[in-house]
Amino acid sequence: DTEVTQTPKHLVMGMTNKKSLKCEQHMGHRAMYWYKQKAKKPPELMFVYSYEKLSINESVPSRFSPECPNSSLLNLHLHALQPEDSALYLCASSHGGGPQETQYFGPGTRLLVL
Amino acid sequence: ELKVEQNPLFLSMQEGKNYTIYCNYSTTSDRLYWYRQDPGKSLESLFVLLSNGAVKQEGRLMASLDTKARLSTLHITAAVHDLSATYFCAVDILLQGAQKLVFGQGTRLTINP
Repeated sequence: DTEVTQTPKHLVMGMTNKKSLKCEQHMGHRAMYWYKQKAKKPPELMFVYSYEKLSINESVPSRFSPECPNSSLLNLHLHALQPEDSALYLCASSHGGGPQETQYFGPGTRLLVL
Repeated sequence: ELKVEQNPLFLSMQEGKNYTIYCNYSTTSDRLYWYRQDPGKSLESLFVLLSNGAVKQEGRLMASLDTKARLSTLHITAAVHDLSATYFCAVDILLQGAQKLVFGQGTRLTINP
């Protein structure tokens, strides 16, 4: 299995809702990432988990809450989002070390906040 | 702060022509990556370049790295319509023991028949 899966593919939520994005990989990767991508812009790193521990938080607002229940799963809990949070949310994973370290991206969740 | 700049940002070309996308970065890094993104889709890894003078080729795409100049190029040979996409270069830095990718702005490539 050489892919990263994400659910749901699309999500529409109101500003008072709570929802979660899910990411899964079965490649034995030990590093997992959340990115946010606005239209016509490059991905921006939000969080990095390395060996199930949060390693990087790029000063993301607390309305985004990441969780890594195990080495294969990564969640992003959303609460009280703003319309400007509408974007494509990409999950990625990588081995977690080594010279050929490459991040493999999932298909993304397209989020619309109303 | 690491900055990654691509040019051109937009490129419209005819099938069969050759062209090059440039990627400059501001500080020393161990690795440089090229990704492809189709509209509405995710990112597909194309190349990872590790050392000065590294050259990798896949089909009509060839990537090279000059670490002294902090420059990578993605060369397209005899372009075909299927190569239309946005191409990102990215450079990684180690931050708190984890890899952080810093992306260029992307080059939107359109190949016309």
